Amino acid sequence: AQSVTQLDSQVPVFEEAPVELRCNYSSSVSVYLFWYVQYPNQGLQLLLKYLSGSTLVESINGFEAEFNKSQTSFHLRKPSVHISDTAEYFCAVRPNYGGSQGNLIFGKGTKLSVKP
Amino acid sequence: NAGVTQTPKFRILKIGQSMTLQCTQDMNHNYMYWYRQDPGMGLKLIYYSVGAGITDKGEVPNGYNVSRSTTEDFPLRLELAAPSQTSVYFCASSYLNLLAGVYEQYFGPGTRLTVT
Repeated sequence: AQSVTQLDSQVPVFEEAPVELRCNYSSSVSVYLFWYVQYPNQGLQLLLKYLSGSTLVESINGFEAEFNKSQTSFHLRKPSVHISDTAEYFCAVRPNYGGSQGNLIFGKGTKLSVKP
Repeated sequence: NAGVTQTPKFRILKIGQSMTLQCTQDMNHNYMYWYRQDPGMGLKLIYYSVGAGITDKGEVPNGYNVSRSTTEDFPLRLELAAPSQTSVYFCASSYLNLLAGVYEQYFGPGTRLTVT
């Protein structure tokens, strides 16, 4: 079975400060890794994903995440946050059962609150 | 494309009532999903479908039913609503990204349901 742990339920930061949202996972099979963002009163949107290749992946709005296989982590970072980044962020994994793919498994979410 | 649409946006039910949450996607995706989101708990998969006529249980199927008569529609039925079903419900659909060899999910805006 797979599980995803997001270590912080809430992260308050000031505008223009750096932020790291932590995500660890456990799985006995290989996985694909995702970060989703949910803005207030909206559905989830895919922020970035790691499928294979370079372990550092980036989104179009300045977020990046690094896959660390030895630490089974996929932490999300941004060097300078904006008020508009205030949202809830979900880490998710999809197990890869040797070509047949399983369903997404989500962490409990981290609420990022950016203050002026 | 409208993407994934859900109706209604909000609903209040009395205990024991029944209702159907509607979900439609216009992207011709084969896979569709229903999740529920409870505060601090992330998203839990209720049911999913790999194509018209095929459905399967997710992690928390009790108290719900689904059907998939067309590719576009995936309604979720609540029979005998209970307070434990108070939640936000998200529908999603996914397609196979052939280049990446992985399914990418798109989410609807959600239905906020309260059972009192």
